[in-house]
Amino acid sequence: NAGVTQTPKFQVLKTGQSMTLQCAQDMNHEYMSWYRQDPGMGLRLIHYSVGAGITDQGEVPNGYNVSRSTTEDFPLRLLSAAPSQTSVYFCASKTGTGVVEQYFGPGTRLTVT
Amino acid sequence: RKEVEQDPGPFNVPEGATVAFNCTYSNSASQSFFWYRQDCRKEPKLLMSVYSSGNEDGRFTAQLNRASQYISLLIRDSKLSDSATYLCVVNKYGQNFVFGPGTRLSVLP
Repeated sequence: NAGVTQTPKFQVLKTGQSMTLQCAQDMNHEYMSWYRQDPGMGLRLIHYSVGAGITDQGEVPNGYNVSRSTTEDFPLRLLSAAPSQTSVYFCASKTGTGVVEQYFGPGTRLTVT
Repeated sequence: RKEVEQDPGPFNVPEGATVAFNCTYSNSASQSFFWYRQDCRKEPKLLMSVYSSGNEDGRFTAQLNRASQYISLLIRDSKLSDSATYLCVVNKYGQNFVFGPGTRLSVLP
């Protein structure tokens, strides 16, 4: 199993540009989520999904959209990039919503200039 | 107040030392607790779950005090390879994980 994969690994955007961060998992996990990690802030939840067709907002959803058309894929869209969105983005997945380990992708380092 | 708080660190310790990290959480309804490890510029990975009775995994011991809403991680006989950031994670059943800001550990030769 590849686990959780993310593309791209690095990205530089200009303010106002849009882009999609890709996330896929091959473990048949129902639950998927996106976090951003900033220095001193820890990981903050952006959006999450408990299954195909179901998404919900996390702690910091503004400026981001998600969709979940399949169990495997959970893309994160930046609608109009801002410098405040410069961060490291992690996608994660786990089985269901119970008390189980959450697996993370390798992350995408995004810089918005 | 943040939902999960940790020792600010960084901790710089010599090889072989024992080091302890503390974590407090504010939501008394939290039901599951974890320590994750994150190496520099890498993704977080589960180090160990934390059980009510306390649990040990080799050189690592985790303890939970529900009354004080406090979690700890003890690392004995520190190795250079233990250098990383340690994340305290709290979860309420059916809810999302909440991560602390992390405590950075550097083990020095």
